[in-house]
Amino acid sequence: AQKITQTQPGMFVQEKEAVTLDCTYDTSDPSYGLFWYKQPSSGEMIFLIYQGSYDQQNATEGRYSLNFQKARKSANLVISASQLGDSAMYFCAMSTKGGKLIFGQGTELSVKP
Amino acid sequence: EAGVAQSPRYKIIEKRQSVAFWCNPISGHATLYWYQQILGQGPKLLIQFQNNGVVDDSQLPKDRFSAERLKGVDSTLKIQPAKLEDSAVYLCASSLVPGQGYEQYFGPGTRLTVT
Repeated sequence: AQKITQTQPGMFVQEKEAVTLDCTYDTSDPSYGLFWYKQPSSGEMIFLIYQGSYDQQNATEGRYSLNFQKARKSANLVISASQLGDSAMYFCAMSTKGGKLIFGQGTELSVKP
Repeated sequence: EAGVAQSPRYKIIEKRQSVAFWCNPISGHATLYWYQQILGQGPKLLIQFQNNGVVDDSQLPKDRFSAERLKGVDSTLKIQPAKLEDSAVYLCASSLVPGQGYEQYFGPGTRLTVT
């Protein structure tokens, strides 16, 4: 069965420092996609970054990078130079062949001034 | 470009009542998804449409939930009768096409409270 696991319910980081949010996945499909979404307290889901299973290089989008380790089935999100506005819930998700997303439980990130 | 629209944003009903949610996807997006997000959990897919056909409704509680997407654009999700455990945020998302590499754009969600 396909599954996403986020083992950190909550994380704290000092403003301007980097933080890593963990995500492991389980699937027997050779082709899959991994996403990270941010969900502020207002509730909308904001797309951050995407990594395809066949992509050779780790994805980067501005201050976000995805540390993809295929053999370990992990897809950790790294946020560099944290800002107060980064405080939110972060969800790791895996896309299936049909396109639906399977989400993890989420990690609540709090950025301290 | 307008985003995914949902209404209402909030709804409070009593158990056994019925409720309906509306979603208007991004123009041109063929695929529409309804997710249920219970407090403290990640979203879970309820139903996926491709144009006006159902692709996946394996996790939709069909004895009480129904959904339709007429003309392949707007969609409504209905619950009848509602139970206490239906209290959740209902998120609508759309994507250009289905598939692993295509980003899903989410609406603001409808927060349902069943008392």
